[in-house]
Amino acid sequence: GAGVSQTPSNKVTEKGKYVELRCDPISGHTALYWYRQSLGQGPEFLIYFQGTGAADDSGLPNDRFFAVRPEGSVSTLKIQRTERGDSAVYLCASSPTGTVNTEAFFGQGTRLTVV
Amino acid sequence: KNQVEQSPQSLIILEGKNCTLQCNYTVSPFSNLRWYKQDTGRGPVSLTIMTFSENTKSNGRYTATLDADTKQSSLHITASQLSDSASYICVPFRGNNRLAFGKGNQVVVIP
Repeated sequence: GAGVSQTPSNKVTEKGKYVELRCDPISGHTALYWYRQSLGQGPEFLIYFQGTGAADDSGLPNDRFFAVRPEGSVSTLKIQRTERGDSAVYLCASSPTGTVNTEAFFGQGTRLTVV
Repeated sequence: KNQVEQSPQSLIILEGKNCTLQCNYTVSPFSNLRWYKQDTGRGPVSLTIMTFSENTKSNGRYTATLDADTKQSSLHITASQLSDSASYICVPFRGNNRLAFGKGNQVVVIP
């Protein structure tokens, strides 16, 4: 596709359940980022991949959150034992190289609601 | 500590008018300073990317300025349109591959 694609666009889950959020970056982009945005706040960094490896996962809030990018393209953000506080929009972005002056392109996000 | 302060927090302007959004930051050093536009329910879109050696950069009706000495940046919107209603976020980028977003300036353009 032409842009970063995230699925699903909306996800409602019950507290305690496991969820997976998918990100399809722009083809050829080696850098991929996950952010989380709560209502009224700016996006908050979660994790950065360069290729298949997580180069910086220091933004993950706790060990219930995990992300993979096994083939260096599609990435999945996994949340175990979801809590109501996990409700937010999860944004994925990709950039061609991840170097400092390259632009990051964001997807539309997945709105996660934990009830 | 909040390293980016944007003002005004929210702004209502009439269609066709100009406006200027301010960003004061304490992040130093940084590789570049970015302005993003985020429409409600959508991901942020990059408007400008300026290195510390650049003073101004334009993207259509958007013009960003940077004063690295005073650690201030501004985003000027010329001849505003209804589609300019959005959140505008100033992001000094340290080059550590994480963009630190603040809340931004909320702009509402009314007819």
